[in-house]
Amino acid sequence: ETGVTQSPTHLIKTRGQQVTLRCSSQSGHNTVSWYQQALGQGPQFIFQYYREEENGRGNFPPRFSGLQFPNYSSELNVNALELDDSALYLCASSEDRGLSYNEQFFGPGTRLTVL
Amino acid sequence: AQSVTQLDSQVPVFEEAPVELRCNYSSSVSVYLFWYVQYPNQGLQLLLKYLSGSTLVKGINGFEAEFNKSQTSFHLRKPSVHISDTAEYFCAVSRMEYGNKLVFGAGTILRVKS
Repeated sequence: ETGVTQSPTHLIKTRGQQVTLRCSSQSGHNTVSWYQQALGQGPQFIFQYYREEENGRGNFPPRFSGLQFPNYSSELNVNALELDDSALYLCASSEDRGLSYNEQFFGPGTRLTVL
Repeated sequence: AQSVTQLDSQVPVFEEAPVELRCNYSSSVSVYLFWYVQYPNQGLQLLLKYLSGSTLVKGINGFEAEFNKSQTSFHLRKPSVHISDTAEYFCAVSRMEYGNKLVFGAGTILRVKS
């Protein structure tokens, strides 16, 4: 069974640029959630996708957007990058429409640095 | 909205000593509670979760946690730590009606010394 994978591992961008991060969910999982973990902080929920539809969003501006594909893999896009976007971005997959008690399986994350 | 407070940013402890990592949450509605561990350069791994039933929950690697509704706490304990337990630990909650969208605390770094 393949776990959650994310690419790239590390990424360096400059302010104003756009970035796309990718996530492959664990086999059999139809729900993907994205989290932002700034240095020294806990992860913060960005949004969740279930069967290609957004299923909840945290307190992030519209320049954070996402997609989920028919194979349940997902992308996180961030436009007009700001210095504060520098963080570890974590993807997590789960099954059954992200029911509250369902375990989320996390990938290793993508470390984004904005200069 | 719910929030999670982890009372200690760092906890140093000697190998084979007991440890308690504290977590308090605030929510006006029922929640599910989780503890995750993050080793350096890795994602989060679930240690244990409280959904309902017995307030003492046992997890992996010898960890356990006790849910205390009156004190809105969910402290993590281990009777004897190992060097390999050195990691960052996160407490998290999800509201029952909002799916498994987790709200995390700021984390506690456990440093086990020999």
